[in-house]
Amino acid sequence: EAGVTQSPTHLIKTRGQQATLRCSPISGHTSVYWYQQALGLGLQFLLWYDEGEERNRGNFPPRFSGRQFPNYSSELNVNALELEDSALYLCASSLVSLLGAGTDTQYFGPGTRLTVL
Amino acid sequence: AQSVTQPDIHITVSEGASLELRCNYSYGATPYLFWYVQSPGQGLQLLLKYFSGDTLVQGIKGFEAEFKRSQSSFNLRKPSVHWSDAAEYFCAVGSGTASKLTFGTGTRLQVTL
Repeated sequence: EAGVTQSPTHLIKTRGQQATLRCSPISGHTSVYWYQQALGLGLQFLLWYDEGEERNRGNFPPRFSGRQFPNYSSELNVNALELEDSALYLCASSLVSLLGAGTDTQYFGPGTRLTVL
Repeated sequence: AQSVTQPDIHITVSEGASLELRCNYSYGATPYLFWYVQSPGQGLQLLLKYFSGDTLVQGIKGFEAEFKRSQSSFNLRKPSVHWSDAAEYFCAVGSGTASKLTFGTGTRLQVTL
C-alpha cells in the first residue's frame, strides 16, 4: 500500500513569490496535517484538514494557507515568500476523522524542501 | 499546553551497545505518545506509539519504550544498536483525537563502529 506522497521533492523560489506544495494521503485516510521543519526551530504544526475543512492551524501568519480536495489530497500555499520560510515541509495523514477517537496515528511523507532565495 | 522535552541533543554510542533516549512530556490529560525516526533529508517514520494498556510498548527495528506516568517520561530503548540506527529521533505527544502533534527538539544519534 502506498504511503503519503508529496510533490515536488524540492522547490526553489525567490522572495515575494508564491509556493504550492502538494500531498496525497494514504488511501482511506481523511485527515491531512502539515508541519514545517526549519533549521533551528524544530517541527512545528502548521495546518490540519479533515473532510475538506480546516480544523486547526498553528501559530503561522495567514499567508500560509491550504485546502483539502474531495479525494482528501491537500495543497499548502505560501504567499509572499520570505527567506525564513526555507524549510522542509512535511505532510502527514491519519485514519481517524473528527468524529473518531483514539488512534489518530499520523504517517508522514518524505517532505518538500522549499528554498527561498 | 502540551510540551515535550528531549534533554539530549546528541548521543554517540558504539555499535552493539545499548541505547536509551530520554523523553519527558507535559500534558494535562492522558497523553498519546509517539517516537519517530528521521534519516537525513527524509520524512518521519513511526517507530512506536503508546495509547493505553501495557506501559512497555514494542516497536519496529527492535525498539521499545516505557511509559512512566509518575515521571512523565516515555524513554526509547534498544538493547543493541546497529550502525543503520544513526538518525534523528523525535518524541511527540498528541491529544488522542485527531489533532496536532507536539514534538520534542529531537536527539541525533551517532553510531561508531
